Amino acid sequence: SQTIHQWPATLVQPVGSPLSLECTVEGTSNPNLYWYRQAAGRGLQLLFYSVGIGQISSEVPQNLSASRPQDRQFILSSKKLLLSDSGFYLCAWSVLFAWEAIRNTEAFFGQGTRLTVV
Amino acid sequence: DAKTTQPPSMDCAEGRAANLPCNHSTISGNEYVYWYRQIHSQGPQYIIHGLKNNETNEMASLIITEDRKSSTLILPHATLRDTAVYYCIVWGGSAAGNKLTFGGGTRVLVKP
Repeated sequence: SQTIHQWPATLVQPVGSPLSLECTVEGTSNPNLYWYRQAAGRGLQLLFYSVGIGQISSEVPQNLSASRPQDRQFILSSKKLLLSDSGFYLCAWSVLFAWEAIRNTEAFFGQGTRLTVV
Repeated sequence: DAKTTQPPSMDCAEGRAANLPCNHSTISGNEYVYWYRQIHSQGPQYIIHGLKNNETNEMASLIITEDRKSSTLILPHATLRDTAVYYCIVWGGSAAGNKLTFGGGTRVLVKP
């Protein structure tokens, strides 16, 4: 069965420090991968998504970046954290849509990382 | 650029049916309607999805209007554990590609 691992669960980092959050998926191949951020009391904001190794689409310009060095590994990074980067970060995966070949699927979410920048 | 509109919040009495509306007037022919819910501090949980026919599973029912411009998620007997934010999403098809975007959702509070 497929599983998604996201760590760490909680993280407290000082302003200006770097960030690296890792997400890995097991039990599937060539998934879509997503990074979301959720500020306190707000909805899910899509940050990045990837349809393959080295293919990253950025949705929101900011000081974060994402990389996909392996098929089932998605990394969210920052060189210098800002206070506004605090939030709940979620990784998700779904089956890659092969245009008309796959008509319905669902997305599976990790348990999230709660980041507090102090 | 969420493609759905939902009321920001609603209350529901425990044991009663909860009807959650969603407008998706720009949905394209091959996009599905999905519902997820997020209990506080957890990742979103899949509930149900459909294309044009009504769907039912052990969690909920999904009613999609004939023109597909709106839908309603029905929780038949709400319990306190159903308190969560419910997201309605349109997703899929070649036009939308693989991008999965959430709107603000509806914050549902089930009261005893």
